[in-house]
Amino acid sequence: KAGVTQTPRYLIKTRGQQVTLSCSPISGHRSVSWYQQTPGQGLQFLFEYFSETQRNKGNFPGRFSGRQFSNSRSEMNVSTLELGDSALYLCASSQQHGELFFGEGSRLTVL
Amino acid sequence: QKEVEQNSGPLSVPEGAIASLNCTYSDRGSQSFFWYRQYSGKSPELIMFIYSNGDKEDGRFTAQLNKASQYVSLLIRDSQPSDSATYLCAGLDNYGQNFVFGPGTRLSVLP
Repeated sequence: KAGVTQTPRYLIKTRGQQVTLSCSPISGHRSVSWYQQTPGQGLQFLFEYFSETQRNKGNFPGRFSGRQFSNSRSEMNVSTLELGDSALYLCASSQQHGELFFGEGSRLTVL
Repeated sequence: QKEVEQNSGPLSVPEGAIASLNCTYSDRGSQSFFWYRQYSGKSPELIMFIYSNGDKEDGRFTAQLNKASQYVSLLIRDSQPSDSATYLCAGLDNYGQNFVFGPGTRLSVLP
């Protein structure tokens, strides 16, 4: 069974640009969550999607957005990038009420 | 504000010793707890979960839950250098939707 796949794995952007990250969950998993991980803040919850609907949202500015498609694949977008957005962005999928399975992450560097 | 607290460490133990990792949580509505291990530069991977008071054993790992004290722990017996990683504690609320992660404890097992 294939795991959670995230693309791209690494990317470098400059301030003011935008970025889109993609996540393909484990087959059969309908919930996809996104987390930001930085050395100082740990794992911070961004949002969670279930059956194409945003079910929960963390405390991040509106520059961070996401969506989920009918095949459960999800994307997150960050607009007007800031230096502080440099982080590892992790996607996790789960069956409803189940444990999270993480992808390898997308490491974003903002210059 | 729902919080999960962990000692950031580093916790250093000699090879073969028992490593004890602790976690407290503020949300009494949390019903299930998960321990994830994260190697440097890698994504978190699930070690085990627990939802009933008491102990749950899986190989060298034992998770302990005390809901009255809002306390979760993970014991690693016969610690190996390969156990050196950051251990993340997470609580899942009663609705099975909201994961809250602690900041993680960095464990170092010395040969």
